[in-house]
Amino acid sequence: QAVVTQEPSLTVSPGGTVTLTCGSSTGAVTSGHYPYWFQQKPGQAPRTLIYDTSNKHSWTPARFSGSLLGGKAALTLSGAQPEDEAEYYCFLSYSGACVFGGGTKLTVL
Amino acid sequence: EVQLVESGGGLIQPGGSLRLSCAASGFTVSSNFMTWVRQAPGRGLDWVSVIYSGDSTYYADSVKGRFTISRDNSKNTLYLQMNSLRAEDTAVYYCAGLGGPAAYRGWGQGTLVTVSS
Repeated sequence: QAVVTQEPSLTVSPGGTVTLTCGSSTGAVTSGHYPYWFQQKPGQAPRTLIYDTSNKHSWTPARFSGSLLGGKAALTLSGAQPEDEAEYYCFLSYSGACVFGGGTKLTVL
Repeated sequence: EVQLVESGGGLIQPGGSLRLSCAASGFTVSSNFMTWVRQAPGRGLDWVSVIYSGDSTYYADSVKGRFTISRDNSKNTLYLQMNSLRAEDTAVYYCAGLGGPAAYRGWGQGTLVTVSS
């Protein structure tokens, strides 16, 4: 199965902007991988932030956005808040089967 | 309330079997793409299996031939039958929606499976 890669950790200042990326060992990530982004805070179940590249869930704050960037899926956080400190997971579909990235630990400091 | 509630986890010996359930409310499981995801202690999310609205199913290589995903439309419940369990299957197991006609994309709270003698 494919390997999905994410930055292990990133740090952003409060109010700052950061972009998390998601690459695939099989080549460029496209809309056909239906990229998802999930957020997980310690001790909690994950929750869906972004689906199908750029669609937001009803509970997704407006400061989060999803896109394709340079052959990767990307999650951009504009105006980081302390409550955004969490682990973020990318999730790709490969003609039915799915793979998670290793996760990015985002620190807001 | 629209939600998923998992059950069926517990302590099981290596080689044993367990069936996890994921009861849905507020939407129809048969009209949604549904997936099982697990998370070993201190580790990241690990995809296990998915079932699409046409009942096509897919599995991670690590569980193929041992785990079976299914759903009971009359009970509006998703299942994961786990056979030949190994220590490395120890994890919190989550069910989640991935959209589809019912467009549900929430997660359950998880159920812990511990495989140990």
